[in-house]
Amino acid sequence: SAVISQKPSRDICQRGTSLTIQCQVDSQVTMMFWYRQQPGQSLTLIATANQGSEATYESGFVIDKFPISRPNLTFSTLTVSNMSPEDSSIYLCSAGTEAFFGQGTRLTVV
Amino acid sequence: SQQGEEDPQALSIQEGENATMNCSYKTSINNLQWYRQNSGRGLVHLILIRSNEREKHSGRLRVTLDTSKKSSSLLITASRAADTASYFCALSNFGNEKLTFGTGTRLTIIP
Repeated sequence: SAVISQKPSRDICQRGTSLTIQCQVDSQVTMMFWYRQQPGQSLTLIATANQGSEATYESGFVIDKFPISRPNLTFSTLTVSNMSPEDSSIYLCSAGTEAFFGQGTRLTVV
Repeated sequence: SQQGEEDPQALSIQEGENATMNCSYKTSINNLQWYRQNSGRGLVHLILIRSNEREKHSGRLRVTLDTSKKSSSLLITASRAADTASYFCALSNFGNEKLTFGTGTRLTIIP
């Protein structure tokens, strides 16, 4: 099983600013995934991050709003750009076929 | 992409009773996984069941999969207060590791 470390665990941000969330896996993985969980809702996939190529975004999510980096096989970042209160959610990364998740980042935009 | 539909949406039972939650889906899957989430924290992986498997056990957890009915169930036996959480099924299709999550069941165990 993979161990996934995500940080920050929570943050309160001003609208219009950006936040970068980091995700570190303890083993090399081909694909990493970023999900959003809005309050009281289930998880929705934002994008798939592949090392050495552009991330693949799901419908409703765009690179300008959620740029992703994947510099190597154990690390990825997700940036939430130009934030508004509607971006307040938990953001989670996962990796592995038997997908394991980080503890998530609880973002509040004020 | 499909989403799993879970029922019930919420379930409250007395400690010591068994809890059963169900997940239904629409198209073929490669595997189905169950997760637990406590109070909006990260997800804890419980069990993965593959499309060619019918039943798996892990401690007090039992998962079944019926691909003909496109449904899965998670049974928690002898429930404990610490089982209070939201439970999600998550589906993956063949050739794709990304997961589509169900709507979730909020389980409350009453001491």
